[in-house]
Amino acid sequence: EDQVTQSPEALRLQEGESSSLNCSYTVSGLRGLFWYRQDPGKGPEFLFTLYSAGEEKEKERLKATLTKKESFLHITAPKPEDSATYLCAVQGTSGTYKYIFGTGTRLKVLA
Amino acid sequence: KAGVTQTPRYLIKTRGQQVTLSCSPISGHRSVSWYQQTPGQGLQFLFEYFSETQRNKGNFPGRFSGRQFSNSRSEMNVSTLELGDSALYLCASSPSGPNRGDTQYFGPGTRLTVL
Repeated sequence: EDQVTQSPEALRLQEGESSSLNCSYTVSGLRGLFWYRQDPGKGPEFLFTLYSAGEEKEKERLKATLTKKESFLHITAPKPEDSATYLCAVQGTSGTYKYIFGTGTRLKVLA
Repeated sequence: KAGVTQTPRYLIKTRGQQVTLSCSPISGHRSVSWYQQTPGQGLQFLFEYFSETQRNKGNFPGRFSGRQFSNSRSEMNVSTLELGDSALYLCASSPSGPNRGDTQYFGPGTRLTVL
């Protein structure tokens, strides 16, 4: 069964303190891995899509990487406005088109 | 392009009532998925519609149903509301291309409160 596990559940960083969020996945063939940012009470906002191991994508202070078993979301010199919940999802090639979501990492960046 | 829109944004209902939520996908997107999000359970998949057909279904009781119209707009209905149905209901649309993982884009959600 396809599965996604995110760690840590929560993370507190000082402004400027770089760190990484982890997304481990088990899927029978990867169709795509997705990262989202979600602010409280709002819908998830799309960040990145990764398709194959070795792929990397960057956007401002965020960089997403992908291996055959996990993905990392690296946050460089975070700012308080980066505080949010970061969600990871995968879509496998099992014949259905379900997206499987992790439970997210709640990030708090302190000024 | 306009994003995914959901109406209404907020709803308050009482137990036993029914509710209908609406979702308009991004223009050109043919797949619409619905999710329930609660603090304790995270994002739970309800169902997905593609070309007016339910293509996938999550593990929710039959009180939860949906449909998709020819213009790809979708509605979900919850009958006989229970207190535990209080949640943020999210709609997401994607182009649903045949070969690669399509990115889903989410709407702002409908906050349902059941009293």
